[in-house]
Amino acid sequence: GAVVSQHPSWVICKSGTSVKIECRSLDFQATTMFWYRQFPKQSLMLMATSNEGSKATYEQGVEKDKFLINHASLTLSTLTVTSAHPEDSSFYICSAVSRLSPSPLHFGNGTRLTVT
Amino acid sequence: GESVGLHLPTLSVQEGDNSIINCAYSNSASDYFIWYKQESGKGPQFIIDIRSNMDKRQGQRVTVLLNKTVKHLSLQIAATQPGDSAVYFCAEKQGNTPLVFGKGTRLSVIA
Repeated sequence: GAVVSQHPSWVICKSGTSVKIECRSLDFQATTMFWYRQFPKQSLMLMATSNEGSKATYEQGVEKDKFLINHASLTLSTLTVTSAHPEDSSFYICSAVSRLSPSPLHFGNGTRLTVT
Repeated sequence: GESVGLHLPTLSVQEGDNSIINCAYSNSASDYFIWYKQESGKGPQFIIDIRSNMDKRQGQRVTVLLNKTVKHLSLQIAATQPGDSAVYFCAEKQGNTPLVFGKGTRLSVIA
């Protein structure tokens, strides 16, 4: 149980285009989803917290207009990287908190974004 | 905050030996701690967790120790196997605040 699915697992896009990443909780309802970014050989850095039906809360230094988050249902959150640049190339990982069992946090398998 | 480093600390152990991975956490008010295993190209995989009212918790082949006095967390893996090779992260949490990850340690198992 507690499976989190991310799609796509990898994507290559051209500079200036936008990319949407989906995060789904497959067998549970997630009141809250988190989006992390991970650069090579580094730890996971929290970008934003997404609550179903409300606006996302962004961490300091993360541009909300560049990283659009939508949490339209209890099983789906999306992250859209708008006007992507090469420096946005990274590993993006989502996690979800079960409505019934808040702990532990379950993670998706990540999305490798490469901007050329 | 974000940890920046050129290299992850690496622990090399012989197959069959026990491994101990250490983590110093930053928030003395953290009340929940998790160890995650991350294989290359994948998301973090839950290993074991512990709440601050405990100092030890055991799972299958893994043990987590918590020393709140010095803000130290450790993960012990018994009889380490090649499949245990990965990067291990500790993470801490206070109440309903988001999970904060430590820097990570790469475990390399020598067959």
